[in-house]
Amino acid sequence: QSVLTQPPSVSAAPGQKVTISCSGSSSNIGNNYVSWYQQLPGTAPKLLIYDNNKRPSGIPDRFSGSRSGTSGTLGITGLHTGDEADYYCGTWDSSLNIWVFGEGTKLTVL
Amino acid sequence: QVQLVESGGGVVQPGRSLRLSCAGAGFTFSSYGMHWVRQAPGKGLDWVAVISYDGSYRYYGDSVKGRFTISRDNSENRVYLEMNSLRAEDTAVYYCAKSRGLVMAAADNWGQGTLVTVSS
Repeated sequence: QSVLTQPPSVSAAPGQKVTISCSGSSSNIGNNYVSWYQQLPGTAPKLLIYDNNKRPSGIPDRFSGSRSGTSGTLGITGLHTGDEADYYCGTWDSSLNIWVFGEGTKLTVL
Repeated sequence: QVQLVESGGGVVQPGRSLRLSCAGAGFTFSSYGMHWVRQAPGKGLDWVAVISYDGSYRYYGDSVKGRFTISRDNSENRVYLEMNSLRAEDTAVYYCAKSRGLVMAAADNWGQGTLVTVSS
């Protein structure tokens, strides 16, 4: 069981918006940057968001990130079927001195 | 562009050892930390280890601490993962990933992965 809690699955219709939460504690999200990763079926993970809310070059602004207290949130607008993937949050845990990933959230675009 | 290519995976018996290698290109390898992350079949991401840009700091996940060793050769632009006392539960695709920072930070580029299967 991960120290970061994500919902196992979320779903929404094409064109709609979805949010994915990542709940942690003061030793991880509360005091360290959150990042988000997208893993399309059969491929390696890809960085979507770093430092809570920054997008790497090439990531569309349909993807956004935020952090409040000990929780992070990934938002995706204008959903299309190509967004169907597993999404993971990640951060450093300063108490355990390890990097931690959430257990992942499967996004279905209905 | 950044390229990371893992190698060294395969089938190995429980209790044996295996060494993975990851070659980096397209960036100043000696300026960034490097992660190893694994993913068991049908499961989520499991962080394995990270090494600082100069090799002076190394951190490990609880499930591999004492059995796995991460190292790097900046003259060869390579990071390694030495895996000892392998167990069935170590079966996974192993990815190397470049850190955005000197040590632990978001992994901004990933290799394609190499499959390790621990089985008798």
